Amino acid sequence: EAQVTQNPRYLITVTGKKLTVTCSQNMNHEYMSWYRQDPGLGLRQIYYSMNVEVTDKGDVPEGYKVSRKEKRNFPLILESPSPNQTSLYFCASSPIIRGTNSYEQYFGPGTRLTVT
Amino acid sequence: RKEVEQDPGPFNVPEGATVAFNCTYSNSASQSFFWYRQDCRKEPKLLMSVYSSGNEDGRFTAQLNRASQYISLLIRDSKLSDSATYLCVVTLSGSARQLTFGSGTQLTVLP
Repeated sequence: EAQVTQNPRYLITVTGKKLTVTCSQNMNHEYMSWYRQDPGLGLRQIYYSMNVEVTDKGDVPEGYKVSRKEKRNFPLILESPSPNQTSLYFCASSPIIRGTNSYEQYFGPGTRLTVT
Repeated sequence: RKEVEQDPGPFNVPEGATVAFNCTYSNSASQSFFWYRQDCRKEPKLLMSVYSSGNEDGRFTAQLNRASQYISLLIRDSKLSDSATYLCVVTLSGSARQLTFGSGTQLTVLP
């Protein structure tokens, strides 16, 4: 089954304790991205990657790191989490189709993170 | 001013009603437009792309007005299963991989 998986789905942690949220897709998509969703603010892009070893900042990259060592995986790293990073996080992937800007992003099920 | 603005609702409509949502965007260089649907804090899923000429998919019709910088979504003959949050999404020219999401419009279809 074609899908994007995220782990963990739920995480409660304390300020300053490093954590990683994994994201994996089995559709051989070049493009992957991380978003956070907060009430009233919608989804905001944190980082995205056009391919292996190619990553770029989105709208809200502060406090986050990513890596893209393999095509299928795009982990999100919080080196020193703070309470303002409490949010619902979504990973997404999509193919890059040359000559078109229209494409569909496939989202993972989400990771609900609480930082106390 | 937000880059993409939507009326958050909630819109409560009876089954069978026609309902329309609008979404405005601030950047005239925006190039691609989409409507996504999100059920109760689950992952967003693409509902439809929005083309310059307008497009229809069953009970759903999407329109783009570049001059006024807004897109619209019309749902005819609403079903209970249409209850969800509808997200307006745009991409900028030259940055097609960066999506900007509106905060969503919540629709509840009542029996």
